[in-house]
Amino acid sequence: EPEVTQTPSHQVTQMGQEVILRCVPISNHLYFYWYRQILGQKVEFLVSFYNNEISEKSEIFDDQFSVERPDGSNFTLKIRSTKLEDSAMYFCASSLATGLAGTDTQYFGPGTRLTVL
Amino acid sequence: AQSVTQLDSHVSVSEGTPVLLRCNYSSSYSPSLFWYVQHPNKGLQLLLKYTSAATLVKGINGFEAEFKKSETSFHLTKPSAHMSDAAEYFCVVSDRDGGYQKVTFGIGTKLQVIP
Repeated sequence: EPEVTQTPSHQVTQMGQEVILRCVPISNHLYFYWYRQILGQKVEFLVSFYNNEISEKSEIFDDQFSVERPDGSNFTLKIRSTKLEDSAMYFCASSLATGLAGTDTQYFGPGTRLTVL
Repeated sequence: AQSVTQLDSHVSVSEGTPVLLRCNYSSSYSPSLFWYVQHPNKGLQLLLKYTSAATLVKGINGFEAEFKKSETSFHLTKPSAHMSDAAEYFCVVSDRDGGYQKVTFGIGTKLQVIP
């Protein structure tokens, strides 16, 4: 069964450093998402991406964050200058666009645990 | 406006007894509803989904949920708990707003299964 994959599984970085989290969505999916889950808190939506542009973002997704689909398979989340409070589990998800057929199921990757020291 | 309320942050059941995890939602549109499970140090796995077809939805591992529009509820049930069901469960509501997909997660319910 196709699945969303994410690398690395765990990333440790120093405050102020840039990190790039990588995701490979399911191959025929067209919508891509990033979520984060700070330890002990709920899963929060960050951004959705369709047709090579951001379609929606939350207030968390400020100028420090960016997303990119650099080739036909990868979907990346970049944090330019990490802060301690960026420590969280970051989940990538993808869904198949079905147009008027209703809301699509999002399939989630296993997550990348980001630790900022 | 869209919101999800999971009424219990922790539920503890004995192995072999029924499980009930409660979820209420609000949505301005006809929503889709999902339950995801997260085992420790694992990603989110889809258990089941409701997308305006049958109101009683069967999922994996013996779980099912019933969509009740009049009560704005989507409670998750299982007749007999297994030790491997111990995990955190998230109720999720999703709809379209202005052409964009909006997704809201509940706070999660931790299920403990006692041997």
